[in-house]
Amino acid sequence: AQSVTQLGSHVSVSEGALVLLRCNYSSSVPPYLFWYVQYPNQGLQLLLKYTSAATLVKGINGFEAEFKKSETSFHLTKPSAHMSDAAEYFCAVSPNNFGNEKLTFGTGTRLTIIP
Amino acid sequence: NAGVTQTPKFQVLKTGQSMTLQCAQDMNHEYMSWYRQDPGMGLRLIHYSVGAGITDQGEVPNGYNVSRSTTEDFPLRLLSAAPSQTSVYFCASSQARGPNQPQHFGDGTRLSIL
Repeated sequence: AQSVTQLGSHVSVSEGALVLLRCNYSSSVPPYLFWYVQYPNQGLQLLLKYTSAATLVKGINGFEAEFKKSETSFHLTKPSAHMSDAAEYFCAVSPNNFGNEKLTFGTGTRLTIIP
Repeated sequence: NAGVTQTPKFQVLKTGQSMTLQCAQDMNHEYMSWYRQDPGMGLRLIHYSVGAGITDQGEVPNGYNVSRSTTEDFPLRLLSAAPSQTSVYFCASSQARGPNQPQHFGDGTRLSIL
């Protein structure tokens, strides 16, 4: 069984400030972890993914995330927020098993950027 | 290259009506799936397919039917619409099976059941 918990359904940061979106996972097998971004009236786009290589993963638009097994976390960060980062962000987990690829999504965090 | 195309973008139905949500991808992807997105609940998997002729149930399959007669198309059928099926529906595809394959999402179908 697997699950994802995203702490904070809404996060607001000032333009230029650090963005930190939290994700904790639970998985009975080694996980693959993903962050997706959803802009208004659009589908989800992959930001980055962890697939058991490097624990610090860099994605698009300046985002990165660090896999911490001891904390079962995969928090998303960006050093300096931009207005265009305003969107909803979803963390997702998939078991590291071929043949059982179903993604389980968190409930999402809506990021607001304050000018 | 259109990616994943969903039609219609918006639909209003009456309780008890049936309809089909269309999904087509032009990337020759093997794996396709349907999700529903509800406020505060993230995305939940309805059905998925690992190739033409093969489908399986996800987390919330009741009230929905799928088929996969071609690689490109993966329609989702609502058999008898209920207000609980009011949601935003997303179709997604990925190149192959495997947990590290990124999924490509359509822009969604916003469905209201009255």
